[in-house]
Amino acid sequence: AQSVAQPEDQVNVAEGNPLTVKCTYSVSGNPYLFWYVQYPNRGLQFLLKYITGDNLVKGSYGFEAEFNKSQTSFHLKKPSALVSDSALYFCAVRDGNNDMRFGAGTRLTVKP
Amino acid sequence: EPEVTQTPSHQVTQMGQEVILRCVPISNHLYFYWYRQILGQKVEFLVSFYNNEISEKSEIFDDQFSVERPDGSNFTLKIRSTKLEDSAMYFCASRGDRGFFGEQFFGPGTRLTVL
Repeated sequence: AQSVAQPEDQVNVAEGNPLTVKCTYSVSGNPYLFWYVQYPNRGLQFLLKYITGDNLVKGSYGFEAEFNKSQTSFHLKKPSALVSDSALYFCAVRDGNNDMRFGAGTRLTVKP
Repeated sequence: EPEVTQTPSHQVTQMGQEVILRCVPISNHLYFYWYRQILGQKVEFLVSFYNNEISEKSEIFDDQFSVERPDGSNFTLKIRSTKLEDSAMYFCASRGDRGFFGEQFFGPGTRLTVL
């Protein structure tokens, strides 16, 4: 069965600094990977996805993610963090089934 | 921009009561999902629905749960006899017919509190 792991419960960065939110995956077939963001009292918003092609995927709000097959990772990155990026970030995977499995989430806090 | 809507935003019920959570997916979408998120925990898949039938369900989705698409716009999740541990945020999601790779669009959620 497919699964993802987000090893960090919390990531703190200063505004203007680069940020990385880590995700590793485990699938039996080809991985289809997603990042979603959840702001307080809101639903999940799609950020970006990796299906095939370039390992560096660009998404919404200046975020990007790098797919690394050898390390089975799909880390979310942003070159310069904003205070408004503070939210809960979820990595998710599908591997040929219809459903999606989410990681436990990483709370990103960007301090001014 | 089209969006998934859910009602009510907050539902309080007594243990043992039936609840129905309602969702209106994006109008041209064909795949529908329910997820739940217990406070502070991960988002968990419950069920997926396509072509008027369940396509997949998780171990959480036991006989107390059911889903229905009663008309062309609504997608509902029914919990027949609620338990305290059903208290959670329930998210509906839908996906359009962009092949397998389309992303899911999530509603704002319904907070279910079972007393």
